[in-house]
Amino acid sequence: SAVISQKPSRDICQRGTSLTIQCQVDSQVTMMFWYRQQPGQSLTLIATANQGSEATYESGFVIDKFPISRPNLTFSTLTVSNMSPEDSSIYLCSVVPANTGELFFGEGSRLTVL
Amino acid sequence: GENVEQHPSTLSVQEGDSAVIKCTYSDSASNYFPWYKQELGKGPQLIIDIRSNVGEKKDQRIAVTLNKTAKHFSLHITETQPEDSAVYFCAASENTDKLIFGTGTRLQVFP
Repeated sequence: SAVISQKPSRDICQRGTSLTIQCQVDSQVTMMFWYRQQPGQSLTLIATANQGSEATYESGFVIDKFPISRPNLTFSTLTVSNMSPEDSSIYLCSVVPANTGELFFGEGSRLTVL
Repeated sequence: GENVEQHPSTLSVQEGDSAVIKCTYSDSASNYFPWYKQELGKGPQLIIDIRSNVGEKKDQRIAVTLNKTAKHFSLHITETQPEDSAVYFCAASENTDKLIFGTGTRLQVFP
């Protein structure tokens, strides 16, 4: 597996502001993803974080709202822009470590927007 | 696209009993089926997975079965313990990426 560190682990934000979540992995990974888990719900894929290029977004998610960076193989950021209370969710970084073919999740960043 | 349905949404069992969670999927191209356990305040933890070239896989008290013809797969937990209490998610995909998750099952094991 891999050790996945997410920061912040939780935050309370004001409407209209933006928050950047960081994800650091302790080993090289082939793929990195960002998921959203709304309160009491399942997990929904936001985008695939591509190293050195623009992320690939799933239907319903756009770059202006959720800009993503991945400058190297082990680090990625997700920004939640111009937040509203509907953005209150857990945001999860997930990775496929090299030679595993399995998807592992970080502990998540719990975001509350007031 | 893929659609994954999961049942039941909640499951309560007595300690020592077995628990079974079932999922169905729609895309016949899916060939990877992992199960995740999510404890309160934590991220999902991969507990077992199965690929389409295998019908059953077991790891101690946990087993997963797959029926590709019927497009359904199940998680079996035997000899349940209070620490098995959590939300369990099934998922399906053609590859490891773009997993489509079920809606989750909240399992409660009563001592």
